Amino acid sequence: AQSVTQLDSQVPVFEEAPVELRCNYSSSVSVYLFWYVQYPNQGLQLLLKYLSGSTLVKGINGFEAEFNKSQTSFHLRKPSVHISDTAEYFCAVSGILTGGGNKLTFGTGTQLKVEL
Amino acid sequence: EAGVTQFPSHSVIEKGQTVTLRCDPISGHDNLYWYRRVMGKEIKFLLHFVKESKQDESGMPNNRFLAERTGGTYSTLKVQPAELEDSGVYFCATGIQPNTEAFFGQGTRLTVV
Repeated sequence: AQSVTQLDSQVPVFEEAPVELRCNYSSSVSVYLFWYVQYPNQGLQLLLKYLSGSTLVKGINGFEAEFNKSQTSFHLRKPSVHISDTAEYFCAVSGILTGGGNKLTFGTGTQLKVEL
Repeated sequence: EAGVTQFPSHSVIEKGQTVTLRCDPISGHDNLYWYRRVMGKEIKFLLHFVKESKQDESGMPNNRFLAERTGGTYSTLKVQPAELEDSGVYFCATGIQPNTEAFFGQGTRLTVV
């Protein structure tokens, strides 16, 4: 079984400032890691994912995340945020299985509010 | 290319009534998932179809929930009879391969009064 912790339920930040949204997970098996974003009145959109390879993953809209296996973390960062980044961000994991599908386990979400 | 489509977008029903949610997947996506977010809590897995077969239904809360995917295309999720605690946003997601990117629909907001 997996669990995901997003400690920050809300993160206010000024426009053009850097931001980090924290995500920690626990799992008894190896995992794939994801960040999804939900803009107001829209569905979930994939920002980025870590499946294997380089631990620094770049996604859409200038976001990036780093997989740290020893700390079981997958924090999301952006060096300079824009008003349009205001949204709710979800960290998710899925356990790696051979053959067959697997479900996503989500954190509780972090509401990013970018202010002028 | 059309994305994952869910309808209705909103539904308000009285306790004890029946509601059916529908999800139309992206064409060719064999994997279809249902998730639910209740009262601002985490998004929780309900079940997973591979084509028309239920691969994993461990997240279904109780036997008031029935999911189908006849013919391996669209899926329905029926709640009968609905209870107050069933209120929340129901998401459908589909994908080509498991464990990789799942494409989400906009969700159906269900309110049981």
